[in-house]
Amino acid sequence: EAGVTQFPSHSVIEKGQTVTLRCDPISGHDNLYWYRRVMGKEIKFLLHFVKESKQDESGMPNNRFLAERTGGTYSTLKVQPAELEDSGVYFCASSQEGGRAAFFGQGTRLTVV
Amino acid sequence: GENVEQHPSTLSVQEGDSAVIKCTYSDSASNYFPWYKQELGKGPQLIIDIRSNVGEKKDQRIAVTLNKTAKHFSLHITETQPEDSAVYFCAATRKYTGRRALTFGSGTRLQVQP
Repeated sequence: EAGVTQFPSHSVIEKGQTVTLRCDPISGHDNLYWYRRVMGKEIKFLLHFVKESKQDESGMPNNRFLAERTGGTYSTLKVQPAELEDSGVYFCASSQEGGRAAFFGQGTRLTVV
Repeated sequence: GENVEQHPSTLSVQEGDSAVIKCTYSDSASNYFPWYKQELGKGPQLIIDIRSNVGEKKDQRIAVTLNKTAKHFSLHITETQPEDSAVYFCAATRKYTGRRALTFGSGTRLQVQP
């Protein structure tokens, strides 16, 4: 069974540009999460989808971040316009149930210069 | 909301020794506590978990203990090996109400010296 996959693995963009990250969860997992780790600190929650609906987006830092999950399958996280402080590793995770084990992708390392 | 504290931030042990990482949580409604291992260039990998109705769980060289009253849980690795070197994260979440995403500790970098 394929795990959670994320694209791209690395992205370097200039301040002010737009970047879109993609996540393909494990098949059959209704719950999809986005997390971010900045500057080697803790992994912080961004938002949680149940199927195509946003269950909790309280962790989204500001309106420059937009997440979608069309059809309840893959998800995208768009940052527009990117700022220097958006640099970090963005992780996607999926689970069968909310509040239980989540399986993580390898992450997308975003560098804004 | 939930807050998870994790200590120590770095831990260096000799191969064969034991390693212990401790976490505390603030939300008494949290009822699920997974531990993740992150190796360089990879995403966090679930290594063991424990639910709030269990005090201890073991899986070969890894064990986790939970004290609900004190709101703390610990990861114990025995007979450490160089391949155990990684960053370890504890996390907490609740299943039925509120945020059902994981709240992570700040991570412990474990280095096992051969």
